[in-house]
Amino acid sequence: AQSVSQHNHHVILSEAASLELGCNYSYGGTVNLFWYVQYPGQHLQLLLKYFSGDPLVKGIKGFEAEFIKSKFSFNLRKPSVQWSDTAEYFCAVVGNTGKLIFGQGTTLQVKP
Amino acid sequence: NAGVMQNPRHLVRRRGQEARLRCSPMKGHSHVYWYRQLPEEGLKFMVYLQKENIIDESGMPKERFSAEFPKEGPSILRIQQVVRGDSAAYFCASSADRNTEAFFGQGTRLTVV
Repeated sequence: AQSVSQHNHHVILSEAASLELGCNYSYGGTVNLFWYVQYPGQHLQLLLKYFSGDPLVKGIKGFEAEFIKSKFSFNLRKPSVQWSDTAEYFCAVVGNTGKLIFGQGTTLQVKP
Repeated sequence: NAGVMQNPRHLVRRRGQEARLRCSPMKGHSHVYWYRQLPEEGLKFMVYLQKENIIDESGMPKERFSAEFPKEGPSILRIQQVVRGDSAAYFCASSADRNTEAFFGQGTRLTVV
């Protein structure tokens, strides 16, 4: 069955610290991968996506993610976080059935 | 190009009443997803529809819940005889194709009293 697992439920960092959020998925075929962000009180917005090609993808606001096929992983990274990055982050996967599913989410709190 | 529109933004229902949530996808999008979000529980997949067809409803309770996406008009998520446990934020998303990025609406916050 298709599933997505995010390792960290709650992360607290100081400004300028580096960020890495883990995401692993389970699916028996080709997938497209996404990271979404949800700022407090708002709807989900797309941060970045991977369909094919270079496994290192860059998104908005300085975020990037690396697809490692052998590890079924798609970890999100940012070299230096800001207070405004405080939000909830969701990893998502869609296969050829079209069913788009999400991980449990990681709440990131950045202390000024 | 208007985004995904959901209405109402907030809905209060008494136990036993019906809740009807609407979602208008982005222009040109024929794929719609519905999710439920509870605090600390992330986004739970409910149903995936493509114009007039339910593709996958594996996340939707068999009783009281139904969804449709008619040829004309918005997608509707219908909850009959609501109970307190139905209180949650319900998000709709749309996409242009079956495995491309989805765009989300602002959500409907349902409160059952």
